[in-house]
Amino acid sequence: SQQGEEDPQALSIQEGENATMNCSYKTSINNLQWYRQNSGRGLVHLILIRSNEREKHSGRLRVTLDTSKKSSSLLITASRAADTASYFCATDGRAAGNKLTFGGGTRVLVKP
Amino acid sequence: DAGVTQSPTHLIKTRGQQVTLRCSPISGHKSVSWYQQVLGQGPQFIFQYYEKEERGRGNFPDRFSARQFPNYSSELNVNALLLGDSALYLCASSLVPSLLTDTQYFGPGTRLTVL
Repeated sequence: SQQGEEDPQALSIQEGENATMNCSYKTSINNLQWYRQNSGRGLVHLILIRSNEREKHSGRLRVTLDTSKKSSSLLITASRAADTASYFCATDGRAAGNKLTFGGGTRVLVKP
Repeated sequence: DAGVTQSPTHLIKTRGQQVTLRCSPISGHKSVSWYQQVLGQGPQFIFQYYEKEERGRGNFPDRFSARQFPNYSSELNVNALLLGDSALYLCASSLVPSLLTDTQYFGPGTRLTVL
């Protein structure tokens, strides 16, 4: 079973716009991570946020974490065509046996 | 430095056959994890190995097995293949010395098709 669930499942935006996607999870976590996957290839790690952190930035990426709501959001600002990919949240925690558990992903299409 | 490498990149097998997938972690990484990703879904955890010992196992049948070698490379074996085993198999390595996960570095994957 998948711990994290991303929303929306798919997103289509114009280049230059911001893209926001959300992840909800069910049990307590140690960390939450976001990964990007291009065209069914390997995943690329984007950002890790720990359970005691509320917000984190990396370049054009902004991640928030609300442990009271068991949710996280990923914001990509000023999107580019190269940002077209699937984005996955992944959580770990004692309930998941300390293994990384992925959600179903958000497929983002950035139109030039 | 080379990233995580996997071989082969693509593989076609028929039902009932056995398959072995290979993974070489980033130099210095001692932890290797395997994931199965069915088309349209997120990756599902299969195994984690650290220092040649199994440290975690997902909800997969005993037809799935793995091992890690002294050089930290790893093999994933799947016996008695079923159509439902068709997927992208991803290997990830990390520095993690414990069961708690940290940043994992993924290889490009092996695309397995079972006919």
